[in-house]
Amino acid sequence: DTEVTQTPKHLVMGMTNKKSLKCEQHMGHRAMYWYKQKAKKPPELMFVYSYEKLSINESVPSRFSPECPNSSLLNLHLHALQPEDSALYLCASSHPRSGSTDTQYFGPGTRLTVL
Amino acid sequence: TQLLEQSPQFLSIQEGENLTVYCNSSSVFSSLQWYRQEPGEGPVLLVTVVTGGEVKKLKRLTFQFGDARKDSSLHITAAQPGDTGLYLCAGSLGGGADGLTFGKGTHLIIQP
Repeated sequence: DTEVTQTPKHLVMGMTNKKSLKCEQHMGHRAMYWYKQKAKKPPELMFVYSYEKLSINESVPSRFSPECPNSSLLNLHLHALQPEDSALYLCASSHPRSGSTDTQYFGPGTRLTVL
Repeated sequence: TQLLEQSPQFLSIQEGENLTVYCNSSSVFSSLQWYRQEPGEGPVLLVTVVTGGEVKKLKRLTFQFGDARKDSSLHITAAQPGDTGLYLCAGSLGGGADGLTFGKGTHLIIQP
């Protein structure tokens, strides 16, 4: 089983709203990632969690707040977003070891629209 | 500067033709993945290559990792309309829990 699930599939929010994106995997992976993808562009890394600890933050604005409650779950809390934050948000997971085991498996994404 | 150069960015060919997509870098990768992505969906893993010179086949798709682990190619034989999509190469530089470095992607259209 190489499944990563994400909810919701679609989200529309106003600039004053607070919402959360959720990601879950049951592959025993200990590294989880958030990526942002704009139309016709490749994914861009936002955050990396390794063994439930934030290991990489790619200078993401504080209106995005990640959380890793346990080894299977990853959340992205959203507050006071801007219309330019509208994008496909992708979650991925992997074993935190090098070689073939660092293959990242992606979820289906959450399509976020900020009005 | 793009760390992983992927070419071509756009390709439209007729059903039955062959094609090759290239990913090149001056950096050495511990592993390199190829993904295929449909609009509005997440990237789906096609293959991971790890060893320099490695060749992997997936039906009509052949993936090769360069001897120096700096480049990779994807060759599709007898392309079919179902092969249409965005193909992404992505490399892991340090290994472990590291973000992937993506190429810009190849938008492939196979016309019947």
